[in-house]
Amino acid sequence: KQEVTQIPAALSVPEGENLVLNCSFTDSAIYNLQWFRQDPGKGLTSLLLIQSSQREQTSGRLNASLDKSSGRSTLYIAASQPGDSATYLCAVPFSGGYNKLIFGAGTRLAVHP
Amino acid sequence: SAVISQKPSRDICQRGTSLTIQCQVDSQVTMMFWYRQQPGQSLTLIATANQGSEATYESGFVIDKFPISRPNLTFSTLTVSNMSPEDSSIYLCSVKGHLNTEAFFGQGTRLTVV
Repeated sequence: KQEVTQIPAALSVPEGENLVLNCSFTDSAIYNLQWFRQDPGKGLTSLLLIQSSQREQTSGRLNASLDKSSGRSTLYIAASQPGDSATYLCAVPFSGGYNKLIFGAGTRLAVHP
Repeated sequence: SAVISQKPSRDICQRGTSLTIQCQVDSQVTMMFWYRQQPGQSLTLIATANQGSEATYESGFVIDKFPISRPNLTFSTLTVSNMSPEDSSIYLCSVKGHLNTEAFFGQGTRLTVV
């Protein structure tokens, strides 16, 4: 059964720092992994989707890597800004599928000026 | 990307009543899902909304409590029935295309049951 873990649970940093958020999963037979951002009380915004054949995806100041064999993904945020403050969630498909998602508990990020 | 409109965005309801949440997508999509996010928790899948047939529920969720409709490829509803305070959560609609495509989410419905 697929399980997803995110570390750290919370992070508070000064503006300008480079950050690494971690996501691990127990079943490495995944088709893809997706990173989301959630602002308090709101829905999810898709940040990056990494296919199983890829090792990295980049969007602006965000870079996500995927290591299937070790069951890990990292989200790198460069030059953090207060507007990056949110909860970041990673999700992978249920074991044996590619549609229904199972989520980690998230990393709550606070970037202070 | 798909634009998803969810209504209502929030509601406060009396226990024992029911609330129907609507999810409208700006284009036809293959897969539609409903998730629940309890306070301080991550997302849990309730069910897959199947067009023209009964929804497929995950373990722990039943049709009598969470009836779902999906009359076409752009619209779905989730009803939370006979509500109790434990149903207070954010309910989210999600859509996805074929296979390895990106999943998109609506803005969620924040439900408080008093």
